Formats: sequence, structure tokens, C-alpha cells
Amino acid sequence: AQSVTQLDSQVPVFEEAPVELRCNYSSSVSVYLFWYVQYPNQGLQLLLKYLSGSTLVKGINGFEAEFNKSQTSFHLRKPSVHISDTAEYFCAVTISNTGNQFYFGTGTSLTVIP
Amino acid sequence: NAGVTQTPKFRILKIGQSMTLQCAQDMNHNYMYWYRQDPGMGLKLIYYSVGAGITDKGEVPNGYNVSRSTTEDFPLRLELAAPSQTSVYFCASTPSGYTGELFFGEGSRLTVL
Repeated sequence: AQSVTQLDSQVPVFEEAPVELRCNYSSSVSVYLFWYVQYPNQGLQLLLKYLSGSTLVKGINGFEAEFNKSQTSFHLRKPSVHISDTAEYFCAVTISNTGNQFYFGTGTSLTVIP
Repeated sequence: NAGVTQTPKFRILKIGQSMTLQCAQDMNHNYMYWYRQDPGMGLKLIYYSVGAGITDKGEVPNGYNVSRSTTEDFPLRLELAAPSQTSVYFCASTPSGYTGELFFGEGSRLTVL
């Protein structure tokens, strides 16, 4: 199975400050990368995805992520967070030869402090 | 548009009981998935299906069974429930396999006592 590592389980940040949530994956072949957000007591929603092309991907709610093949990373960033960004964030990866399986990281809990 | 609908939202089972978690989607997606979510563990794939009549095991299939008789429905069966199956279960679907966006249901919280 593929491995997805989210290095920080909890990230507290003050409102209007920038944030970076880290994600690394283990694969030597081409991957497709995703970030999902989960608000309390809800299912996951897609924030953004990287399939090919530009390594900088923009998503919803002002989030963006950069694919770095040499470092096998796909870190999520936002220049200025809001209280409403408080949620759980999951990085996920799929690989074309794994039979359509999506592998998720363990999640990062982002808490925005007023 | 309902999207992915899971029932029930909450359930308490006794050890050894069996039950079925229902999942239905109205988006005509071929690919459907069942995940379980445990605190600090992320989402683990239980079973998935690439179309009606086709199912495959994921990372943690033991203690579960699935069927996919129609495109819309993908029920998850728990046989002989155990405390280790206490979890939040999510059903998801996608139209285009491994490059597509997963659409999730709201989850089913199961407690086995």
C-alpha cells in the first residue's frame, strides 16, 4: 500500500496568519494528489487536486498547494486564515496502477485562534 | 440533488450482532468506496467497487462484506460485530476512478458494546 504522511497532527494558528499543512507521500511512480477538508460531523469535501501540469494548484476558500516531485511533497497553504477554516484536513494520493484506490493520511487538525 | 446518502447516522450494536450500513448515490457514479475513520488514524479503505457486480477488498476488509447489485447502491454488512468495529463509516463515490473527486456521505457512527 502507498504511504501518505501528514507530519503535523495539530496546527494552531492565529486568525489572519498564514498556515502550511505538510504532506509527503511514498511512491516512485506517477501519482495524483488531493487535499480534502472535513468540518465537524460532516463528510469530506475536496479542496484541490493535482493531476498534471502546473505544480501550483489553487483550490476553494483561498487554499493552494504545491507539488514537489523531488521531495515527494504536496503541502497545503493559505496566506491568511479565518475562523471558518477550523477543520480537519486530509491529504490523499492515488496511483494509476493501484486499482482506483485512494490512500489517505492521518489528518491535520487546524485550529484558528481569534 | 441528494449526492451520497448513508443510513443510519447512528447505531449501537451488541457484540455478535450483525447489521447493514446503507449507501446510495444518485450521480450515476461507477466507483464507490467504504472507509472507516478512527481518531488519529485517518481513513482506511474497507471495500470498493468499480461498477455493478464488481467489488474488491481494501486495506481493512476483515469482518465486513459488500455487494453491488446496482450502480446506485453499495451496502456494507458487518457480521458478528466486535468492539474493534466501533468507528465512523463513510461511503464515497466518484465518476472517474483514481483521478476524480470523491463525494462523501455524512457518515454513520457505529458503537459496538
